[in-house]
Amino acid sequence: DAGVTQSPTHLIKTRGQQVTLRCSPKSGHDTVSWYQQALGQGPQFIFQYYEEEERQRGNFPDRFSGHQYPNYSSELNVNALLLGDSALYLCASSLRRGEAFFGQGTRLTVV
Amino acid sequence: AQTVTQSQPEMSVQEAETVTLSCTYDTSENNYYLFWYKQPPSRQMILVIRQEAYKQQNATENRFSVNFQKAAKSFSLKISDSQLGDTAMYFCAPLSGNTPLVFGKGTRLSVIA
Repeated sequence: DAGVTQSPTHLIKTRGQQVTLRCSPKSGHDTVSWYQQALGQGPQFIFQYYEEEERQRGNFPDRFSGHQYPNYSSELNVNALLLGDSALYLCASSLRRGEAFFGQGTRLTVV
Repeated sequence: AQTVTQSQPEMSVQEAETVTLSCTYDTSENNYYLFWYKQPPSRQMILVIRQEAYKQQNATENRFSVNFQKAAKSFSLKISDSQLGDTAMYFCAPLSGNTPLVFGKGTRLSVIA
């Protein structure tokens, strides 16, 4: 079992650009959640996808959007990048409301 | 909204000793789960232990155990026989109803040889 995989592991983007981060959930999991973790802080919930729809959303602007595919994999898109978007982005998968398993994250640096 | 407070930003412990990390939370739900996650320098969040709120018995996983006080909304983690590999950030997180996992700010634990 490959567990939760995220790509890429590191990324450097320029202010104003757009970025797409990808997540493949653990086998058998149907729910994907995305978190943003700033340096030295706990993860902050961005949104959750289930059955290809955004089910819940945290306090993040519309610049943050996502998608879930029929195979349950998911993407996180961020438009008009700001310096403050620099963070570790974590993907977690679960079987609906079950225990969450996390990927290793994508480190995004905006310059 | 759920809130989580981890009042110890940093802690250190000698190898083989015991350490306790504290966590308090606030929820209006009666049925919920509580988790402790570990995040080593490799960045991946790893589940350490879970507790169902309806269970009075404290959860135990090998060297890790919790002290769950539902009325006080307290959920501390005890690590016995600390090992160098326990060095990591530790996060407490409740999960209830339709809300997502809510994380505290974490406690940085250093195990010293």
